[in-house]
Amino acid sequence: AQSVTQLGSHVSVSEGALVLLRCNYSSSVPPYLFWYVQYPNQGLQLLLKYTTGATLVKGINGFEAEFKKSETSFHLTKPSAHMSDAAEYFCAVRAGAGKSTFGDGTTLTVKP
Amino acid sequence: GAGVSQSPSNKVTEKGKDVELRCDPISGHTALYWYRQSLGQGLEFLIYFQGNSAPDKSGLPSDRFSAERTGGSVSTLTIQRTQQEDSAVYLCASSSGLAGTYEQYFGPGTRLTVT
Repeated sequence: AQSVTQLGSHVSVSEGALVLLRCNYSSSVPPYLFWYVQYPNQGLQLLLKYTTGATLVKGINGFEAEFKKSETSFHLTKPSAHMSDAAEYFCAVRAGAGKSTFGDGTTLTVKP
Repeated sequence: GAGVSQSPSNKVTEKGKDVELRCDPISGHTALYWYRQSLGQGLEFLIYFQGNSAPDKSGLPSDRFSAERTGGSVSTLTIQRTQQEDSAVYLCASSSGLAGTYEQYFGPGTRLTVT
């Protein structure tokens, strides 16, 4: 069984500020972890993924996430928010092949 | 190359009617998934196809929902006797199915509105 909890359905930051979106997961086997971004009226786009190896993974648009097994977390960060980062972000967990389980999403608002 | 495509992009139907939603995965991808995204909600898994294996239908919410995948490529999700609670965005995704490359590529979705 696997599950994902995204803490905070809405996060608001000022342009240039740190972005931190929280994700905790549970999985009965070593997980694959993903962050996706969804812009209005579009499908999901992969930001980054963790499968094995280095626990700090870098993705597109300056985002990165760190897999912390002891904390069962995979938080998404970006040092400096840009207006174009405003979107909905989804964390997902997968145990190998098969379906992914998604969190409920976090809407990021960036204030000028 | 072409990504995952879905049609129609929008569908409005009356309660009780049947609808078919289509997904064209990325060429060569052996795995195909359907998810449902209701307003303000995350993605709800519906069904998963992998090659010639029996599909994982564990997420289908009722027997009004069915899906098939013909020739290992195009997939159709059918909802019979639609209800208002079926209104949602239906997302299709595909992946290569190769070990270690499990990222899913999503289509733009079909927005279904049941009136």
